Amino acid sequence: LAKTTQPISMDSYEGQEVNITCSHNNIATNDYITWYQQFPSQGPRFIIQGYKTKVTNEVASLFIPADRKSSTLSLPRVSLSDTAVYYCLVGGGGGFKTIFGAGTRLFVKA
Amino acid sequence: NAGVTQTPKFQVLKTGQSMTLQCAQDMNHNSMYWYRQDPGMGLRLIYYSASEGTTDKGEVPNGYNVSRLNKREFSLRLESAAPSQTSVYFCASNEDRVNTEAFFGQGTRLTVV
Repeated sequence: LAKTTQPISMDSYEGQEVNITCSHNNIATNDYITWYQQFPSQGPRFIIQGYKTKVTNEVASLFIPADRKSSTLSLPRVSLSDTAVYYCLVGGGGGFKTIFGAGTRLFVKA
Repeated sequence: NAGVTQTPKFQVLKTGQSMTLQCAQDMNHNSMYWYRQDPGMGLRLIYYSASEGTTDKGEVPNGYNVSRLNKREFSLRLESAAPSQTSVYFCASNEDRVNTEAFFGQGTRLTVV
């Protein structure tokens, strides 16, 4: 199983763009990269998933370089409500033999 | 659309007691999962069920049993609760293809004293 490494925490201000990078050196050929968001006292919520290059949805963008050994979640113009823990997962998109690490605690300040 | 529903939301047990955590999903998903999350930690997979009638161990299965009652329901049982099982338990489900979005319940906060 591919292990992921993310920063433990990040601080930002409202209106800024936030980029969270995840390292996954042992990613397998058929692994996808998925990001989840978790608020206190709630279950994780899917944000975005990708295999290579760039993926964008209404919430975030995901950048994946050609070697796929890392990925960057980009949150445009964050607000206070984006304060949460963000998990990078490699492998099954949901939980099928997928390990959640400690995640990155993002704190958005006014 | 309820998604994934877990019951109870909170529970306090004494050491040695048993209990069953219930999980139901209404999205017709084939795969279901049980995780535990300790304070300040990520989620660890306890058991999963890739499809109705099958269950498999995850990362931390000791002290737990599961039952996939039907396609909708996946229960987690603690036969003899221990303080080390104090945690927040999350149930999740997704389609049977591995790289698909998972939906999580709101969690069950369990305290074993």
